[in-house]
Amino acid sequence: EAQVTQNPRYLITVTGKKLTVTCSQNMNHEYMSWYRQDPGLGLRQIYYSMNVEVTDKGDVPEGYKVSRKEKRNFPLILESPSPNQTSLYFCASRLGAATNEKLFFGSGTQLSVL
Amino acid sequence: RKEVEQDPGPFNVPEGATVAFNCTYSNSASQSFFWYRQDCRKEPKLLMSVYSSGNEDGRFTAQLNRASQYISLLIRDSKLSDSATYLCVVGFNNAGNMLTFGGGTRLMVKP
Repeated sequence: EAQVTQNPRYLITVTGKKLTVTCSQNMNHEYMSWYRQDPGLGLRQIYYSMNVEVTDKGDVPEGYKVSRKEKRNFPLILESPSPNQTSLYFCASRLGAATNEKLFFGSGTQLSVL
Repeated sequence: RKEVEQDPGPFNVPEGATVAFNCTYSNSASQSFFWYRQDCRKEPKLLMSVYSSGNEDGRFTAQLNRASQYISLLIRDSKLSDSATYLCVVGFNNAGNMLTFGGGTRLMVKP
């Protein structure tokens, strides 16, 4: 089944404790992206990647890191999480760079930073 | 001003009703337009793309007005299962090829 797999589904952590949220897609998509969703603000892009070893900042990259060593994986890293990073996170992928292609989302990660 | 604006609702309608949502966008060079559906705390799923000529998919009709920079979604004969949040999404093929999401409009269909 074609899908974007994101883990964990729920995560509670404390301020300053490094964490990684994994994202993997099995559709050979070139484009992958991370979003956070907060009430009233919609989804905002954190980072995106056009292809392996190519990553770039989205609208809200501060406090986050990503890597794209393999085409299928695009982990989101929080080196020193803070409470303002408490949010619902989604990984997404699409076949190529063009915005008119369908975007496939992972099932989301609810992160709480205490 | 937000780049993509939607009325957050909620829109409370009875089963069988027709309901319409509008969405405005600020970037006149935007090139791609979509409606996504999102159930509570779950991932957004593509409902339909929106084309300049307008398009229909069963009970759902989407229209784009480039001159006024808004898109609309019409749902006819509402079902209980249509209850969800509807996200307006606009794309611009610049260097980042980013999509901009509206905050969503919540629809609640009551028996």
